[in-house]
Amino acid sequence: NAGVTQTPKFRILKIGQSMTLQCAQDMNHNYMYWYRQDPGMGLKLIYYSVGAGITDKGEVPNGYNVSRSTTEDFPLRLELAAPSQTSVYFCASSYGQLGNEQFFGPGTRLTVL
Amino acid sequence: DAKTTQPTSMDCAEGRAANLPCNHSTISGNEYVYWYRQIHSQGPQYIIHGLKNNETNEMASLIITEDRKSSTLILPHATLRDTAVYYCIVSNAGNNRKLIWGLGTSLAVNP
Repeated sequence: NAGVTQTPKFRILKIGQSMTLQCAQDMNHNYMYWYRQDPGMGLKLIYYSVGAGITDKGEVPNGYNVSRSTTEDFPLRLELAAPSQTSVYFCASSYGQLGNEQFFGPGTRLTVL
Repeated sequence: DAKTTQPTSMDCAEGRAANLPCNHSTISGNEYVYWYRQIHSQGPQYIIHGLKNNETNEMASLIITEDRKSSTLILPHATLRDTAVYYCIVSNAGNNRKLIWGLGTSLAVNP
């Protein structure tokens, strides 16, 4: 199993540009999450999904959108990039109600200039 | 969800046990204690979790006090590869969306 994969690893955007961060998992997990981590801080939940077709907001959803058309994929969309979105983005997945063991991807480091 | 308090940083000698404390004095009866770690620039990694009994797996042991207001993560024989930030989180089991991440403890394992 590849686990949780994320692309790209690094990206530099200009203010106002858009992009999609890709996340995929091959563990047949129903829960998937997007977090952001600013330097020296803990993770903050952006959006999560409990299954295909179902998504919900986390702590810091403004400026982002998600979709979940399949169990495997959970892309995160930035529509109008702002410097405040400079961060490392982590995708994670887990089984539904069997405890909070979340499996994380390697992260995407995004810089908005 | 209850909040946790952890020391900002700790040191440990290689080969010795690393004992990482966590205070969670407002924990409620249905909240579990979870530990994750994050090695520099990588995604966090699950270590262990428990409710009220002590737990052990291949990575670590978790000791929870009888009143459940604090816990200790024990790495029995720390190696240089255990240098990481360790996060203690309390959350309802199955309430996956409610992991509230603090700043954690930065553990440095020294040769």
